[in-house]
Amino acid sequence: DAGVTQSPTHLIKTRGQQVTLRCSPKSGHDTVSWYQQALGQGPQFIFQYYEEEERQRGNFPDRFSGHQFPNYSSELNVNALLLGDSALYLCASSFDPQETQYFGPGTRLLVL
Amino acid sequence: GQSLEQPSEVTAVEGAIVQINCTYQTSGFYGLSWYQQHDGGAPTFLSYNALDGLEETGRFSSFLSRSDSYGYLLLQELQMKDSASYFCVLTGGGNKLTFGTGTQLKVEL
Repeated sequence: DAGVTQSPTHLIKTRGQQVTLRCSPKSGHDTVSWYQQALGQGPQFIFQYYEEEERQRGNFPDRFSGHQFPNYSSELNVNALLLGDSALYLCASSFDPQETQYFGPGTRLLVL
Repeated sequence: GQSLEQPSEVTAVEGAIVQINCTYQTSGFYGLSWYQQHDGGAPTFLSYNALDGLEETGRFSSFLSRSDSYGYLLLQELQMKDSASYFCVLTGGGNKLTFGTGTQLKVEL
């Protein structure tokens, strides 16, 4: 049984560009949450998707958007990249919005 | 808002017992969790306290006191593989997780 998978593993972009990160939840899970983890910090909640809708959002600007597909996989899009967007982006899934979240290995984004 | 404070670093010897403390400020939450993260890896769920008291899972135990806004993670029989970062995490409405600052545990021989 595959756990949470994310792609790509690493990504390098330049300021002003746009990026799309992908997440496939653990089998049987229908809820996906995204987190940003800056170096030396704890993960910060970006948003949560359930039933293809954004259910909750953290304190992130509108440059951060997402989508959930009918198969429960999800994308995180970041527009107009800033140097400060360099971080590890983690996806977590659960089989219900109230249950334990399981994290993927993350995508490490570097913005130059 | 919510905030959690943890020691930034703890060092202990293999085979010993170590306690990682966590204090928090919040207007409301459902429970306190602990996650482990090895360098470059995914955070891994360790334990969850919805109620006050002690929860035990193998070598790991976690404690919560809502009246004191305090919790801790206790690791027994430390092993080298326990060297990692440990995060206390508040679970809010809709299962939104708020992570603490993280404690880097170094286990030495």
